[in-house]
Amino acid sequence: LAKTTQPISMDSYEGQEVNITCSHNNIATNDYITWYQQFPSQGPRFIIQGYKTKVTNEVASLFIPADRKSSTLSLPRVSLSDTAVYYCLVGGLMDSNYQLIWGAGTKLIIKP
Amino acid sequence: GAVVSQHPSRVICKSGTSVKIECRSLDFQATTMFWYRQFPKKSLMLMATSNEGSKATYEQGVEKDKFLINHASLTLSTLTVTSAHPEDSSFYICSARDSRSYNEQFFGPGTRLTVL
Repeated sequence: LAKTTQPISMDSYEGQEVNITCSHNNIATNDYITWYQQFPSQGPRFIIQGYKTKVTNEVASLFIPADRKSSTLSLPRVSLSDTAVYYCLVGGLMDSNYQLIWGAGTKLIIKP
Repeated sequence: GAVVSQHPSRVICKSGTSVKIECRSLDFQATTMFWYRQFPKKSLMLMATSNEGSKATYEQGVEKDKFLINHASLTLSTLTVTSAHPEDSSFYICSARDSRSYNEQFFGPGTRLTVL
């Protein structure tokens, strides 16, 4: 089972780029890496997903080194509304043996 | 697209009663749905996986007789917390896998259960 490790909390300021790293040393071959954002008393919201190298969408980038033992979520030019908990999820839905191991989450606080 | 709803959004019940939570995929067919619980300031814990038309698969440590899951259609799964106790108070979240999506689950807004 892949176990993930994330920083418990991070602070940054509006307009800055924020990078949150997740360690997953035991990631399996079929596992994908997915990042979610969660606000209090709401369900998680999908941010980005990747398998290897770099993935970019309209809200974030995901960097995954060749050994896939870690991944870094990059949020460009954050705003106050990006204050939330960010979860790194390692696992896959490709077969019936779902292994969905959630990290403890990183509480990101954006200051003005 | 890919919207998942949950009902109710919050419920308060007395100890010993049963509570049913519904999870619906509104604009897609969900062959698989997942049920999570989340305690305050903690991460999500997968409770069980349900596939339409078959019995749910429970994670280790989750009592199947306590948390009854039914996935009778491609758009609806229910979680019933039987004989609820205060320690069952938690935030319950469902997610659904679109049969057409490769590797993604879509989350509902969650249900806050408080057992008095």
